[in-house]
Amino acid sequence: EAQVTQNPRYLITVTGKKLTVTCSQNMNHEYMSWYRQDPGLGLRQIYYSMNVEVTDKGDVPEGYKVSRKEKRNFPLILESPSPNQTSLYFCASRPRSNQPQHFGDGTRLSIL
Amino acid sequence: DAKTTQPPSMDCAEGRAANLPCNHSTISGNEYVYWYRQIHSQGPQYIIHGLKNNETNEMASLIITEDRKSSTLILPHATLRDTAVYYCIVRVGGTSYDKVIFGPGTSLSVIP
Repeated sequence: EAQVTQNPRYLITVTGKKLTVTCSQNMNHEYMSWYRQDPGLGLRQIYYSMNVEVTDKGDVPEGYKVSRKEKRNFPLILESPSPNQTSLYFCASRPRSNQPQHFGDGTRLSIL
Repeated sequence: DAKTTQPPSMDCAEGRAANLPCNHSTISGNEYVYWYRQIHSQGPQYIIHGLKNNETNEMASLIITEDRKSSTLILPHATLRDTAVYYCIVRVGGTSYDKVIFGPGTSLSVIP
């Protein structure tokens, strides 16, 4: 089944403790993105990648890192999480620039 | 950046057509219009997209005005399961970047 898989789905952690949210797609898509969703603010793009080893900032990249060492994986790294990064996160992938995105089921992060 | 505006909320009677409008007056000639929906906090689900011609698939129809400054998503026979937030987006991108901007969307309530 074609899908975008995020892990974990839920995480409660503390300020400053490094964490990684994994994202994997099995559709051989070139483009991948990370979004965060907060009440009243909609989905905002954090980072995107157009190919292996090619990443770029979206609208809200501060406090996040990403890597794209292989086509299927696009992890989101929070080196020193803070409470303002408490949010619902979505990973997405697409095959070509004008094709629609496929979204994962989301990861709900709570930073205490 | 091309952005979209949508009404914040709409109601539709079950079994009737739901017509969701979207304005994208600054759209460029090679930018596509995409529609997604999000049910509760699930990952956004792709519905339909188009460039300048009207499009139809098993879920919905997309009507784009001739000047491309607005579009309408039509759900022909709305059901209770169509209650969701609907997002109209225009892809802001080219060959070197892939930014995607989501607005707040339209919250559609289908009423029995």
